Amino acid sequence: GAGVSQSPRYKVAKRGQDVALRCDPISGHVSLFWYQQALGQGPEFLTYFQNEAQLDKSGLPSDRFFAERPEGSVSTLKIQRTQQEDSAVYLCASSVRDRKPAFGSGTRLTVV
Amino acid sequence: GENVEQHPSTLSVQEGDSAVIKCTYSDSASNYFPWYKQELGKRPQLIIDIRSNVGEKKDQRIAVTLNKTAKHFSLHITETQPEDSAVYFCAASGYGQNFVFGPGTRLSVLP
Repeated sequence: GAGVSQSPRYKVAKRGQDVALRCDPISGHVSLFWYQQALGQGPEFLTYFQNEAQLDKSGLPSDRFFAERPEGSVSTLKIQRTQQEDSAVYLCASSVRDRKPAFGSGTRLTVV
Repeated sequence: GENVEQHPSTLSVQEGDSAVIKCTYSDSASNYFPWYKQELGKRPQLIIDIRSNVGEKKDQRIAVTLNKTAKHFSLHITETQPEDSAVYFCAASGYGQNFVFGPGTRLSVLP
């Protein structure tokens, strides 16, 4: 595809529900990043993959958050037992080698 | 870990004037500094970037300067236009590391 694709674009979850957010990076991009962006704030780092290896997950806020990239391409961010404070836009970005990361349009998660 | 600060948080300029946004970083190992523009409800778009071996880079009306000794870098927009109105984010990264973003600057260009 032409750019980073994320789905769904919007997700409403009831508190306690599990959600899965998908990211399709640009073909050939080795690096993949997940960020959380609250309203009016900058993107906050969650986790980083190089191919299928998760090199840094220090930004994941709790053990309810889990990310994977099993084949080094598509990535899924899973949030278990969602809580209201999880409401945010989740952005995925990919890059060739840690430079010029391109962002997807994000998934807006609302927990009610 | 890396910490990026950004000032000002909001900036209003008259159309045609220049705008300057400043960022500081804490980790001397950071060597790559991109700038992103984010319009309301849209994805952040890379507008310019600079590596640590360069002091300045220009692209038409946009320029970025880097002072490695002082650990700060700035975005300069000249001849501002209404379509420059957006939130701008700076970021810093070292090799093999994640990108740490500043809190953003909301730029308003007044006609």
